[in-house]
Amino acid sequence: NAGVTQTPKFQVLKTGQSMTLQCAQDMNHEYMSWYRQDPGMGLRLIHYSVGAGITDQGEVPNGYNVSRSTTEDFPLRLLSAAPSQTSVYFCASSLMQNTEAFFGQGTRLTVV
Amino acid sequence: GQQLNQSPQSMFIQEGEDVSMNCTSSSIFNTWLWYKQDPGEGPVLLIALYKAGELTSNGRLTAQFGITRKDSFLNISASIPSDVGIYFCAGQTRWAGSYQLTFGKGTKLSVIP
Repeated sequence: NAGVTQTPKFQVLKTGQSMTLQCAQDMNHEYMSWYRQDPGMGLRLIHYSVGAGITDQGEVPNGYNVSRSTTEDFPLRLLSAAPSQTSVYFCASSLMQNTEAFFGQGTRLTVV
Repeated sequence: GQQLNQSPQSMFIQEGEDVSMNCTSSSIFNTWLWYKQDPGEGPVLLIALYKAGELTSNGRLTAQFGITRKDSFLNISASIPSDVGIYFCAGQTRWAGSYQLTFGKGTKLSVIP
C-alpha cells in the first residue's frame, strides 16, 4: 500500500527554470492538496482539488499551477522558479475534504 | 485568514517526563487535529477531535478539544526518545463552501535520554 507518493525527493533548480513536482495516491481519495513548509511557518496551503477536473487556490498560490486530470495524480508546476520558492513541498490526500489527510514524504526544493 | 498560535515553539525534556503543548486561536474550529512529523518525513495524524470538550487518548498521547472551540492541547506522558519530532496542531473549519485546514507553526520536541 503505497499511500501518497511524491517525486522527486530532492531537486535543485536555477532561477527561471521550470519543473513539475509529481504526486500520486492509490487510495482513491477525492481530495488532494499541496503545502509548502518553511522554517517557523508551519504548513501553508498552495492549491487543492476536490476531485478530478476541479482545482482551487489556497493561501499561497502565486507562482504555482496545478491540474487534476485523474483522481490519482495531482502535479504541481513551477513555471519560472524563484529563490523564494525554496522550501519543502508536501502533497496530501484525503477521502473527502473534511477527513484525515495523508501526507507524502515531501520534496525538498532549492532554487539558486 | 485564520491563525493558530502554537506553543511552545520548542521543548527539551528528559526521557520519562511528561509533555504538554497547546494551540489557541481567535477563530472557532469544527475539528482539531494533531500531527507528528519525523525528520525527513511528512506529517502523520496522531489524534483527531470532532466535538467541543472531547478528550481522546492514543496510547501515551491525550488531546482535548476546548469547550470554546478555539483551543486544543496535546499531552504526552512518560516521553521516550522516539517521541522526538515536530508536532503540529491543525484546525479545520468550513468557509466559503469548502473546508479549510489551518496549521500551527509546530512544536519541536527533543528528548534527552
